Amino acid sequence: QKEVEQNSGPLSVPEGAIASLNCTYSDRGSQSFFWYRQYSGKSPELIMFIYSNGDKEDGRFTAQLNKASQYVSLLIRDSQPSDSATYLCAVTGTASKLTFGTGTRLQVTL
Amino acid sequence: GAGVSQSPSNKVTEKGKDVELRCDPISGHTALYWYRQSLGQGLEFLIYFQGNSAPDKSGLPSDRFSAERTGGSVSTLTIQRTQQEDSAVYLCASSSPLRDRTEAFFGQGTRLTVV
Repeated sequence: QKEVEQNSGPLSVPEGAIASLNCTYSDRGSQSFFWYRQYSGKSPELIMFIYSNGDKEDGRFTAQLNKASQYVSLLIRDSQPSDSATYLCAVTGTASKLTFGTGTRLQVTL
Repeated sequence: GAGVSQSPSNKVTEKGKDVELRCDPISGHTALYWYRQSLGQGLEFLIYFQGNSAPDKSGLPSDRFSAERTGGSVSTLTIQRTQQEDSAVYLCASSSPLRDRTEAFFGQGTRLTVV
């Protein structure tokens, strides 16, 4: 079992729709959870972090964490073509090491 | 510096030569990561430093790859006897020692091309 798992996609959503990106992790003691966005040819950039169970909203982005289910998700409301990118889930485990998933490619269509 | 700095930004080398890639992390960041990313692929973990020690070097693909970190700051990734399959973007990231601020910040990467 991979430490952090994501569906590779591509996930295709029409402009204006909600994009839902999901991630599961194996280390039950994990404490910190992050979402990164990576445009083609660029380095990953941090867009959201969440530490507590529940929802955290930042503009059009909402991160959701369920530690009991070992599940973290990212919702993007009113998706725009500029949101088309690969989204990487990252988790800090009990050894304080940050581990990345392989990413989900999102395509927002006109 | 304000961000993670990597050098060189591009490197073209002949097969069989050795190369050194440098990463200068954000000041005060004790954790440092090296990743490799081939075209269209995900991040491939190589090695993780906490201070000058490397508690996890499980991602280094062969003994041709090595990395060191000195003074808890700059890190160098060395690839000996480069092969064409080593061609990729090598990314470095660093993160804070604060327990609740472990997000990593990435450099712009070194694009390595082995010809």
